[in-house]
Amino acid sequence: QVQLVQSGAEVKKPGASVKVSCKASGYTFTTYGISWVRQAPGQGLEWMGWISAYNGNTNYAQKLQGRVTMTSDTSTSTAYMELRSLRSDDTAVYYCARDQSLIAAAAGYWGQGTLVTVSS
Amino acid sequence: EIVMTQSPATLSVSPGERATLSCRASQSVSSNLAWYQQKPGQAPRLLIYGASTRATGIPARFSGSGSGTEFTLTINSLQSEDFAVYYCQQYNNWPPYTFGQGTKLEIK
Repeated sequence: QVQLVQSGAEVKKPGASVKVSCKASGYTFTTYGISWVRQAPGQGLEWMGWISAYNGNTNYAQKLQGRVTMTSDTSTSTAYMELRSLRSDDTAVYYCARDQSLIAAAAGYWGQGTLVTVSS
Repeated sequence: EIVMTQSPATLSVSPGERATLSCRASQSVSSNLAWYQQKPGQAPRLLIYGASTRATGIPARFSGSGSGTEFTLTINSLQSEDFAVYYCQQYNNWPPYTFGQGTKLEIK
């Protein structure tokens, strides 16, 4: 069965960076893209960007351009999301999610979420 | 950027009744529209993609309709486990693949 297992919770100071991992299993990793979505406390869902696990192509939300980098490691079937210059409003649960199918980029399978807290 | 607007923000419905949730896009997204359910403390779960295709394991009481800019999620015969927050998302134009702000479905 498809599983996405994310790394554990992080506490960071303003200005620092965080790197969240998302290890995939149960399918051929390079076949599907991975999206990253975040959710601030009590708020809705925010799409952050997408990476092709096949060739590493990325597409980021404009508001995060320059601060976010998404990568993937096909040898370990793991996707990564790094966010730099952290601010207090980056405090959120960060989710990775796999594309539903080759033609539908809806997020069909989700990781359990990683809480990132930014606080001085 | 495409703006997705969901209505109502909160919907109160009795168990066993039907719930109808709406999602409007600021420009056409064709049928590239998904619906998600999220319960407290859990990751979202995909219910519908392609505007009307149920994801694997989703009960038949969930149905989606619409295309272009107007979409509807209908939940028939509401069960206790259906009370949650529902989000729509367009994946036609990026970046970003925008989400609606959510509709909270609560027990009446």
